[in-house]
Amino acid sequence: AQSVAQPEDQVNVAEGNPLTVKCTYSVSGNPYLFWYVQYPNRGLQFLLKYITGDNLVKGSYGFEAEFNKSQTSFHLKKPSALVSDSALYFCAVRDMDSNYQLIWGAGTKLIIKP
Amino acid sequence: EPEVTQTPSHQVTQMGQEVILRCVPISNHLYFYWYRQILGQKVEFLVSFYNNEISEKSEIFDDQFSVERPDGSNFTLKIRSTKLEDSAMYFCASSLLLQETQYFGPGTRLLVL
Repeated sequence: AQSVAQPEDQVNVAEGNPLTVKCTYSVSGNPYLFWYVQYPNRGLQFLLKYITGDNLVKGSYGFEAEFNKSQTSFHLKKPSALVSDSALYFCAVRDMDSNYQLIWGAGTKLIIKP
Repeated sequence: EPEVTQTPSHQVTQMGQEVILRCVPISNHLYFYWYRQILGQKVEFLVSFYNNEISEKSEIFDDQFSVERPDGSNFTLKIRSTKLEDSAMYFCASSLLLQETQYFGPGTRLLVL
């Protein structure tokens, strides 16, 4: 069965420090991997995706993510956190070989403290 | 920048009533989706739609649900007889191609009383 795990409900980081939001996945075929961000009372905004190619993917707002096939992980990173990065972050996966739907992680609340 | 829009932003309805949630996908996109997020839970896939027919649907998408693209711009989700457990945020999304990024609307918060 396909699944996505975000092991941390919440991540707290001081402003200016690097941040990592973890994601691991399980699919039977080749994965498409995505990160979305949700601000309070807002929709899901696309941050970045991995389909193929370079394992390090760069996205919006200075975020990047590294695809690690052996560890089936796709952790979201940013070198220097901003208070405005505080939001709910979702990792999602699609099995390229089977279907259309996105399978979602439970979300990680990122809190950046000044 | 083109975006997905959804109306209404909030809807309150009585149990057993029909509701229609509306979405305007990005204009040149070909694939359309509905997801829902019950408060405090994961985002869940409901249905995908392409070429005027359902491509895939989840177990959640039972006979009470239907989707339609009534014209060239709108994409609707109908719940025929709402239940309390249908209360959720409903997100519409669209993508240009199947393998492309799905872009989401701001959501409709549905509350069934």
